Order: sequence, then structure tokens, then C-alpha cells
Amino acid sequence: EAQVTQNPRYLITVTGKKLTVTCSQNMNHEYMSWYRQDPGLGLRQIYYSMNVEVTDKGDVPEGYKVSRKEKRNFPLILESPSPNQTSLYFCASSLFFRDEQFFGPGTRLTVL
Amino acid sequence: GQQVMQIPQYQHVQEGEDFTTYCNSSTTLSNIQWYKQRPGGHPVFLIQLVKSGEVKKQKRLTFQFGEAKKNSSLHITATQTTDVGTYFCAGPDTGNQFYFGTGTSLTVIP
Repeated sequence: EAQVTQNPRYLITVTGKKLTVTCSQNMNHEYMSWYRQDPGLGLRQIYYSMNVEVTDKGDVPEGYKVSRKEKRNFPLILESPSPNQTSLYFCASSLFFRDEQFFGPGTRLTVL
Repeated sequence: GQQVMQIPQYQHVQEGEDFTTYCNSSTTLSNIQWYKQRPGGHPVFLIQLVKSGEVKKQKRLTFQFGEAKKNSSLHITATQTTDVGTYFCAGPDTGNQFYFGTGTSLTVIP
């Protein structure tokens, strides 16, 4: 089944404890992206990747890192999480940049 | 920076009434995409419009892309309870970034 998977789905952590949210797609998509969703703000792009080894900042990259070593995986890293990073995170992929995006199920992160 | 605003933020309608959400971007978009997110779910792609002035229909849903490629609308005729959710417009700018609108949450009262 064609899909985007994310893990974990839920995470409660404390300020400063490094964490990684994994994202994987099995559709051979070139473009991958991370978004955060907050009430009233819609989805805001954190980082995106046009292809393997090519990543760039989105609208709200502060406090986040990403890597794209393989085409299928695009992990999101929070090196020192803070409470303002409490949010719902979505990973998405598309065949190419301007195509329809397929979303993962989301990761709800709480930073205490 | 780039902004994509949607109005209204919330809309409650009686089942059978029509519904419209409007999307306005501060800059030109290469195309406009619409997504639906059910409560507790993830955004799901509905449609893409590419040409300025384009109109597309999907059953009871009508999508329009403005002439200047900076605005769009989604109109639902005779809403049903299955239409409940948040509707987002989205689009790539002329660079490589993707922007989502602020969303319109639709509640349909049976």
C-alpha cells in the first residue's frame, strides 16, 4: 500500500531532551516536507527536500534539523526541544515539488 | 513573508445549506491545491488548479482559481454531514516553498 509513515504518533518529552521523528514513504517520491500545525495558523512548512541530499528551510525552521540520506526517509530532529515546539507535526511527500502531497498520520508532540 | 489567509476560520451550517471558503495569497502561486482534513486525521488532497481563471467541479464541490493566481474559492452545494472537516488551500510559490492557508473548519448540523 502506498503510504507515508511517521513514528512516533504521540510523544511527551521534557525541555532539552533531543528527539527524532521518523518519516518514510514507499512511493519513490522526490519531494518531501515537514509541517507543523497549530490552531488558527494552518500548516507551516519547517523544512523540505527536493531530492536526496538536498534540503532547505521552510517558513519556520528555527530549532529543527533534517537530513535526506535516502530517498524514502526524511527524519525531523529537535536537538533541544522547547515548549513552543509543542505541536502536531506532519510529514508529506509528492512525486515532484508542485504535485499533490501525501501526508503521514501525524505526530503529536508535547514538550514540558 | 508569504501569507495565505482563508475566511471564514469557522463555519457552521445546517445540512443542505451551501458553504464557501475563500483563500487569498499575498503573492502569486504556481498552482492552487485544496486539501480536506477530517477531525483527528491528516490532510487529504482534493484537487489541483493550474491555469488562471480555472474552474473545476467534483460532484457538489466547485473550485475556482483567480485570474491573478493569488486567490481561490471552494464552494460546496447542499452540504452533508460527510463534508465535516477543515479545508485548506495550498500552493507552491515561484521558488521551492509550499504554503498552506489558515484553513476553514466546517461543521454541518444534521
